[in-house]
Amino acid sequence: AQKVTQAQTEISVVEKEDVTLDCVYETRDTTYYLFWYKQPPSGELVFLIRRNSFDEQNEISGRYSWNFQKSTSSFNFTITASQVVDSAVYFCALSEATETSGSRLTFGEGTQLTVNP
Amino acid sequence: DSGVTQTPKHLITATGQRVTLRCSPRSGDLSVYWYQQSLDQGLQFLIQYYNGEERAKGNILERFSAQQFPDLHSELNLSSLELGDSALYFCASGEQDYEQFFGPGTRLTVL
Repeated sequence: AQKVTQAQTEISVVEKEDVTLDCVYETRDTTYYLFWYKQPPSGELVFLIRRNSFDEQNEISGRYSWNFQKSTSSFNFTITASQVVDSAVYFCALSEATETSGSRLTFGEGTQLTVNP
Repeated sequence: DSGVTQTPKHLITATGQRVTLRCSPRSGDLSVYWYQQSLDQGLQFLIQYYNGEERAKGNILERFSAQQFPDLHSELNLSSLELGDSALYFCASGEQDYEQFFGPGTRLTVL
């Protein structure tokens, strides 16, 4: 069965600090997808990124960057120069997209990030 | 705005009652997913529909049921409600192997 672990329950930083959110996953499939979602205090789930298991290239989008390492089954998320608006719960998720499981997402427990001014 | 709409935004009801949550997917998306977010269980997959057919089932209680209509909107029916059913219910839509875009959620409170 697939599993996603976000070991950091809460992280608190001061504005402009860099912060890395860890995500470790378990799956038996060779084809899978990894996601990060942001849930701000308003409650909606905002899609940030999707990665497929064959693409280990790291990605940067503005202040956000993602490091995918298949060898350690990790998909970590770094925010550079954090801002107060980054305060939210961040979820890492895994999708295996099989015939029997459909393409359901298995979520980690989330990391509450608080950025203080 | 993800393009996925959910109604109602908030729902307050009593134990033993039945409610229906509605979801309209993004234009063109054939897959609809339902998730439940509660404090003790986290974000859990309930069920997926693809073009009107049930595609996958997660930890969905027998008291809960869902369907997807020919116009692709979906409804999640929750019956014999218990206090523990209080949660945020999300609908998502998307392509099978691609991003799942989430609606704003329906917050259900069972008193």
